[in-house]
Amino acid sequence: DVKVTQSSRYLVKRTGEKVFLECVQDMDHENMFWYRQDPGLGLRLIYFSYDVKMKEKGDIPEGYSVSREKKERFSLILESASTNQTSMYLCASSLGRGSTEAFFGQGTRLTVV
Amino acid sequence: GESVGLHLPTLSVQEGDNSIINCAYSNSASDYFIWYKQESGKGPQFIIDIRSNMDKRQGQRVTVLLNKTVKHLSLQIAATQPGDSAVYFCAENMGYNFNKFYFGSGTKLNVKP
Repeated sequence: DVKVTQSSRYLVKRTGEKVFLECVQDMDHENMFWYRQDPGLGLRLIYFSYDVKMKEKGDIPEGYSVSREKKERFSLILESASTNQTSMYLCASSLGRGSTEAFFGQGTRLTVV
Repeated sequence: GESVGLHLPTLSVQEGDNSIINCAYSNSASDYFIWYKQESGKGPQFIIDIRSNMDKRQGQRVTVLLNKTVKHLSLQIAATQPGDSAVYFCAENMGYNFNKFYFGSGTKLNVKP
């Protein structure tokens, strides 16, 4: 089974802190994604990576950056955390171009105080 | 990305009845439409997909219907069970080379025993 593992289930950070959310997948997938999930808004794409060191902005990249130095790992970085970044963050991976099935991690519930 | 929205935020059905979850989309260029199920405390999980050149696809107890004329997608669940209680998202597979997924806001399905 494909496994997508997010490093933390719950995280509490202070405003202005730099926050790292880590995600690892074990199936050699080409594509990796970061979404945030908020009530009534569904899943919104923050960033997407289709290869090592390659990234593409999603719908809401402001305030975030990403890093993909190795194929299995995709990190989401909040440069200076703000309270409006309190949310559920979901990492996902998919096999490659044209894949319709994305595999999701359990999510990280981030609270910025 | 263009929006993928849902008509009903919450749907309650009796165990054993059939459920129909609807979704409106706006991007005619999407190649695939996908349904995901998210149980409480978990990441979304792939259920079924349909290519844009099809109008119906069946899986185990689920059927997806695509009406491109009115840009409407539906998921039908036969003989709904308590384990079907979850939030259901429709998604589009789009972007350059169809790598990215854009999700709707979700419908919560409650199955009453």
